[in-house]
Amino acid sequence: EAQVTQNPRYLITVTGKKLTVTCSQNMNHEYMSWYRQDPGLGLRQIYYSMNVEVTDKGDVPEGYKVSRKEKRNFPLILESPSPNQTSLYFCASSFSVLGGTDTQYFGPGTRLTVL
Amino acid sequence: AQTVTQSQPEMSVQEAETVTLSCTYDTSESNYYLFWYKQPPSRQMILVIRQEAYKQQNATENRFSVNFQKAAKSFSLKISDSQLGDTAMYFCAFMPPHLMIKAAGNKLTFGGGTRVLVKP
Repeated sequence: EAQVTQNPRYLITVTGKKLTVTCSQNMNHEYMSWYRQDPGLGLRQIYYSMNVEVTDKGDVPEGYKVSRKEKRNFPLILESPSPNQTSLYFCASSFSVLGGTDTQYFGPGTRLTVL
Repeated sequence: AQTVTQSQPEMSVQEAETVTLSCTYDTSESNYYLFWYKQPPSRQMILVIRQEAYKQQNATENRFSVNFQKAAKSFSLKISDSQLGDTAMYFCAFMPPHLMIKAAGNKLTFGGGTRVLVKP
């Protein structure tokens, strides 16, 4: 089954404790990205990747890191989480980098709470 | 930078009736893509409908249709014959054209969302 998976689905942590949210897709997609969802703000892009070893900042990259060492994986790293990073996180992928002609597939979301 | 505004935080509709969700956006681009996504309580993001700005014909997908007014930068979603399973958060989203220099063409800019409750 074609899908984007994220782990963990739920995470409660404390300020300053490094964490990684994994994202994996099995569709050989070139493009992957991370969004965060906050009430009233919709989803905002954190980082994106056009292909292996090619990443760039989205609209809200502060406090996050990413890497793309393999085409299928795109982990989101919070080196020192803070309470303002409490949010719902989505990973998304699409086959090409050609934009709107291509469907973006979203993962199931990761609910992160930073105390 | 593009912005997307959904002015209705919540709406309710009786089962089998019609509801229209509004969305306005701001861009200087002439060609772009617009989307409506549905997020049910499961939190999954589900693509409902896609509209390409250079196509004047409004997109339709079964009970879902849009009213795309390019000059007014308006992109409303109409849900006809509402069903209980339509209860969800709905997001309007904008995607710019693919930029060859800085390939950020896949970025979606979302509105704040409209929560729709379908009542039996």
